[in-house]
Amino acid sequence: DAGVTQSPTHLIKTRGQQVTLRCSPKSGHDTVSWYQQALGQGPQFIFQYYEEEERQRGNFPDRFSGHQFPNYSSELNVNALLLGDSALYLCASSLLGLQDTEAFFGQGTRLTVV
Amino acid sequence: KQEVTQIPAALSVPEGENLVLNCSFTDSAIYNLQWFRQDPGKGLTSLLLIQSSQREQTSGRLNASLDKSSGRSTLYIAASQPGDSATYLCAVAGNTGKLIFGQGTTLQVKP
Repeated sequence: DAGVTQSPTHLIKTRGQQVTLRCSPKSGHDTVSWYQQALGQGPQFIFQYYEEEERQRGNFPDRFSGHQFPNYSSELNVNALLLGDSALYLCASSLLGLQDTEAFFGQGTRLTVV
Repeated sequence: KQEVTQIPAALSVPEGENLVLNCSFTDSAIYNLQWFRQDPGKGLTSLLLIQSSQREQTSGRLNASLDKSSGRSTLYIAASQPGDSATYLCAVAGNTGKLIFGQGTTLQVKP
């Protein structure tokens, strides 16, 4: 089992550009959540996808959007990048609705906006 | 609104010492609580998951407890080793699976 995989691992973008990050969940998991982690802070919830739909969303602007594919993999898109979007973006997979479900995280994508 | 706090923010101990990391949360209506380890610049590694109906979970030298009524969890690390040096994060989940994290405790274990 490859666990949760994210690509790319590092990315440098210019302010105003758009970026797409990718995530493949752990085998057997149907739910993908995205988190943003600024330096020295705990991760902040961006949104969660289940059955190809956004189920819930954190306090992030519409510039942040996502998608889930039939194979449960997911993309995070950020438009009109700001310097403040520089962070580690983490993807987590889980099984929705099970109390004992653990969330498993990928290694993250480090996004730097210059 | 659920808020999670971890104390202390940083901790430095000599190798071999037993230590306790603290996590508190404001809303006791949680589904589960999870402890994670994060090495610098890396993703999160799940250490222990405690369901809301459980009081504690153990894995090797780690023991996590949960007291929902007081909104507290502790992570006990026995016989600490330099390899335990990392940031430890606790997170609580409601029934939607959304995780709310504390800011973490950065642990340094000195040889």
